[in-house]
Amino acid sequence: SQQGEEDPQALSIQEGENATMNCSYKTSINNLQWYRQNSGRGLVHLILIRSNEREKHSGRLRVTLDTSKKSSSLLITASRAADTASYFCATALLWETSGSRLTFGEGTQLTVNP
Amino acid sequence: EAQVTQNPRYLITVTGKKLTVTCSQNMNHEYMSWYRQDPGLGLRQIYYSMNVEVTDKGDVPEGYKVSRKEKRNFPLILESPSPNQTSLYFCASSLWGEQFFGPGTRLTVL
Repeated sequence: SQQGEEDPQALSIQEGENATMNCSYKTSINNLQWYRQNSGRGLVHLILIRSNEREKHSGRLRVTLDTSKKSSSLLITASRAADTASYFCATALLWETSGSRLTFGEGTQLTVNP
Repeated sequence: EAQVTQNPRYLITVTGKKLTVTCSQNMNHEYMSWYRQDPGLGLRQIYYSMNVEVTDKGDVPEGYKVSRKEKRNFPLILESPSPNQTSLYFCASSLWGEQFFGPGTRLTVL
């Protein structure tokens, strides 16, 4: 199965609420990344967290990483309708020293209702 | 503007007719990669390249070829396309970690 698996598969919230998406993976990683994809378009990098980091922030995004549980979460605060998209976690395996070769999960479809 | 470009964006072809999808990046990245995206399967890596003349298989390489003769270009070649290669294809480039994706090529093989 996929190295990264997101949960839930789909999430529907109201504008202004927070959205939390989770990602689990199976083997040791160099880093974990989150990407966003608007329908049928290219993925856009959101944030990268390295295996020795536990939490990272970028604007309204907060990512946590728990390597003991092999899991990560992406929190989007004060969501907006424009945040509606699919969100993917991707892992770079430990021995991939460039940190570039990624394995993607199947994604969480987030819908933010106005 | 830093970007990854792919051509064509849309392609409908028939089984067995060789095709090439081009990918070009202007960021001088060493690492480039091809993915396919299918419903329920997420993104799966087809081939990747760590530098010029260095390519390697990803998770689903069967039926595809690539070449990396120049740093900026990484074409994907389907020698004899089949209907199970109908998919949305993405090219990406990276220097260290963060990947920059092209806009995608939607391929239909009849």
